Amino acid sequence: SQQGEEDPQALSIQEGENATMNCSYKTSINNLQWYRQNSGRGLVHLILIRSNEREKHSGRLRVTLDTSKKSSSLLITASRAADTASYFCATTKWDNDYKLSFGAGTTVTVRA
Amino acid sequence: ETGVTQSPTHLIKTRGQQVTLRCSSQSGHNTVSWYQQALGQGPQFIFQYYREEENGRGNFPPRFSGLQFPNYSSELNVNALELDDSALYLCASSNRGRISYEQYFGPGTRLTVT
Repeated sequence: SQQGEEDPQALSIQEGENATMNCSYKTSINNLQWYRQNSGRGLVHLILIRSNEREKHSGRLRVTLDTSKKSSSLLITASRAADTASYFCATTKWDNDYKLSFGAGTTVTVRA
Repeated sequence: ETGVTQSPTHLIKTRGQQVTLRCSSQSGHNTVSWYQQALGQGPQFIFQYYREEENGRGNFPPRFSGLQFPNYSSELNVNALELDDSALYLCASSNRGRISYEQYFGPGTRLTVT
């Protein structure tokens, strides 16, 4: 079974709009990461947030983490057609920090 | 800095056969992990190799095995292929010991079992 669950499963937005997706997980974590995957190929690391952090920014990306609710959100501002991809959250635990546990992903389509 | 590479890109095998997938880690990385991604799903952790030894394993049967070589490249071997083994196989390299949990993924090998 997967540790994380993303919501929504799919998202379609207009270029220039913001995209928000959420991730919930089940057990205590060491950190949470977001990855992007284009067309069923390799994953690209976007951003990592540690369990003692609440918010991080990287360019047009903003990630929040609420460990009390076991949830995270990824916001992509001013979306572009190139942001069309699947987005996955992945968590690691304290006792096996090498293993990434992924959710099923959110598929984002940005319309021109 | 060279990225993670995988070969082959695509592969078609018959049920019961054996397959070997290959991965070259990113330069300077000493750890490689393998993931299986079924269509429409997130990647599932198979195992990780560090210093040529298996360092952790997910919920996969023993017919999934691996190797890591002194140059940190790696192989994933799957015996007695089943139809459910059809998936995208991803390897990811990282540098254990650095204060970073980021993993760098290769483009994957698409395996189809008929």
